[in-house]
Amino acid sequence: DGGITQSPKYLFRKEGQNVTLSCEQNLNHDAMYWYRQDPGQGLRLIYYSQIVNDFQKGDIAEGYSVSREKKESFPLTVTSAQKNPTAFYLCATGSGANVLTFGAGSRLTVL
Amino acid sequence: AQSVTQPDIHITVSEGASLELRCNYSYGATPYLFWYVQSPGQGLQLLLKYFSGDTLVQGIKGFEAEFKRSQSSFNLRKPSVHWSDAAEYFCAVVDNTNAGKSTFGDGTTLTVKP
Repeated sequence: DGGITQSPKYLFRKEGQNVTLSCEQNLNHDAMYWYRQDPGQGLRLIYYSQIVNDFQKGDIAEGYSVSREKKESFPLTVTSAQKNPTAFYLCATGSGANVLTFGAGSRLTVL
Repeated sequence: AQSVTQPDIHITVSEGASLELRCNYSYGATPYLFWYVQSPGQGLQLLLKYFSGDTLVQGIKGFEAEFKRSQSSFNLRKPSVHWSDAAEYFCAVVDNTNAGKSTFGDGTTLTVKP
């Protein structure tokens, strides 16, 4: 089945640690996105990539980094510079006409 | 910049009753509009979309939405709600001039009473 796989589902981080969230897709979509979701705030765009080896900052990129070395993969690193990293993180791909397909999400908790 | 407003944070309806979730958008050109649904702890699933043409669009699970340009609205409706419809619903608009970036509303949580 085609889809998006996010891992891990749950992740705990200590203060000062960097963590990386994985996003893998087999939909053959060019565009990939990372969103952050907090209660009552909807989805906010962190980074997006429209093609391999290229990516752009979204609305809340500070404290995050990404790479896009392969079409299938778009990992997100939450760095120690992100002051409030506890959130639900969603990866999505974009097909024609900008329809988004989402992964199941990763929940990050800072201890 | 585009924006989306979902005025209702939380709505409760009885099973079998009709449902309307409101969505208002701000966008300079003809928008691409979407409704997504999210179950707790899960990703979002596309319910329906509007690009052009017929302003009443049909989606999955018996949902429909109507685009009203004069009111800048794209309200979601369902004639008879089922308990399994309890979830969070998000309206979104796509900026076709800016890499197809989606802007989401803050969501409406639907509770269904038995």
